[in-house]
Amino acid sequence: QKEVEQNSGPLSVPEGAIASLNCTYSDRGSQSFFWYRQYSGKSPELIMFIYSNGDKEDGRFTAQLNKASQYVSLLIRDSQPSDSATYLCAVTYTGANSKLTFGKGITLSVRP
Amino acid sequence: GAGVSQTPSNKVTEKGKYVELRCDPISGHTALYWYRQSLGQGPEFLIYFQGTGAADDSGLPNDRFFAVRPEGSVSTLKIQRTERGDSAVYLCASSLRLAGGPGGEQFFGPGTRLTVL
Repeated sequence: QKEVEQNSGPLSVPEGAIASLNCTYSDRGSQSFFWYRQYSGKSPELIMFIYSNGDKEDGRFTAQLNKASQYVSLLIRDSQPSDSATYLCAVTYTGANSKLTFGKGITLSVRP
Repeated sequence: GAGVSQTPSNKVTEKGKYVELRCDPISGHTALYWYRQSLGQGPEFLIYFQGTGAADDSGLPNDRFFAVRPEGSVSTLKIQRTERGDSAVYLCASSLRLAGGPGGEQFFGPGTRLTVL
């Protein structure tokens, strides 16, 4: 069974801090990795995607991918109360390249 | 530009009834996906289309669920003989091309909340 694990959480950080969200996946051949943000009662919103090992930065967000260790993380710098949401990690697996397998999500709360 | 749209936003039905949920993808997106999300869980894949054909329907839970995309744009998810366990948020997503590389990023619509009484 292909799995995406997001075991830590809920996470609470003070405003201005760095929030670090982690995700592990079971299939070593996975190719594409995504982070979605979901506000309560809303649908998932794509905020980052990464296809190659290493770091990818976009504004206050950095996605980090380590295929050897099978983890992908999301760093949010200068966290704001508006970042308070559930963050979903999603992966496409080998042989099923077009369907996303999601973790359960991590709830982030940024304290003013 | 316009994003993915879904109608209705909410649907309440009785056990045993038939429902149809509609998805209108982003213009120009060839791939369309259906997921459903239960409370406290991540979205769960149901089916995806590349053009008019269902390329992978392995996530449909049973034969009460069926989806079509007759002209390669709008898609309808159909659920027969609804059961209380079908209650969830049904999400549609589209991408420019199939996932697995650049252009394969999936963008979600607002969802349809289905409640089966």
